[in-house]
Amino acid sequence: RKEVEQDPGPFNVPEGATVAFNCTYSNSASQSFFWYRQDCRKEPKLLMSVYSSGNEDGRFTAQLNRASQYISLLIRDSKLSDSATYLCVVNNFNKFYFGSGTKLNVKP
Amino acid sequence: GAVVSQHPSRVICKSGTSVKIECRSLDFQATTMFWYRQFPKQSLMLMATSNEGSKATYEQGVEKDKFLINHASLTLSTLTVTSAHPEDSSFYICSARGGRGEVEKLFFGSGTQLSVL
Repeated sequence: RKEVEQDPGPFNVPEGATVAFNCTYSNSASQSFFWYRQDCRKEPKLLMSVYSSGNEDGRFTAQLNRASQYISLLIRDSKLSDSATYLCVVNNFNKFYFGSGTKLNVKP
Repeated sequence: GAVVSQHPSRVICKSGTSVKIECRSLDFQATTMFWYRQFPKQSLMLMATSNEGSKATYEQGVEKDKFLINHASLTLSTLTVTSAHPEDSSFYICSARGGRGEVEKLFFGSGTQLSVL
């Protein structure tokens, strides 16, 4: 079983839409969680950390559900520039495991 | 956030040659760096964990004699792909955990696109 599972998408949404991604992880002892954004042929860039209490950064909201072992990312008021692949990342004992990524296409 | 520099950004080489990729942490000391490989439309796959002053820890299925890792200082790790073959063509990315206040976060170099002819 993979450490981290994500729906690969693609999610095709119009500008202004709200879109949500989920990610599940297999190791209940995982310590920390993140969402990264990766543009084509570029390195991943940290979007935000994910906390059990939920955290928000502008149009982006991340949530962690330890009981169900899933992480979510909500993007409100989608912009064309949000088009990218979003990677769910889980830290297990100093090893970072990546999901396969969810591709988002925001259309005009 | 922390800055990680990776060079070169692109390499095209003949089959059988060796290629060295450098990864530097510019504004913090990184006792641990990670090397990943990414094939088109696939996720990042951890190849090895590079530890300053000691041997790298390789993931299952990664040949340590083919992918030589050296972490000679707190700011530099190198990956050498020895006797490269076309199947080694891939996007290689290094990363490091952040410095003070950001040790839980992973910061990436800009990646190296390796094409073996």
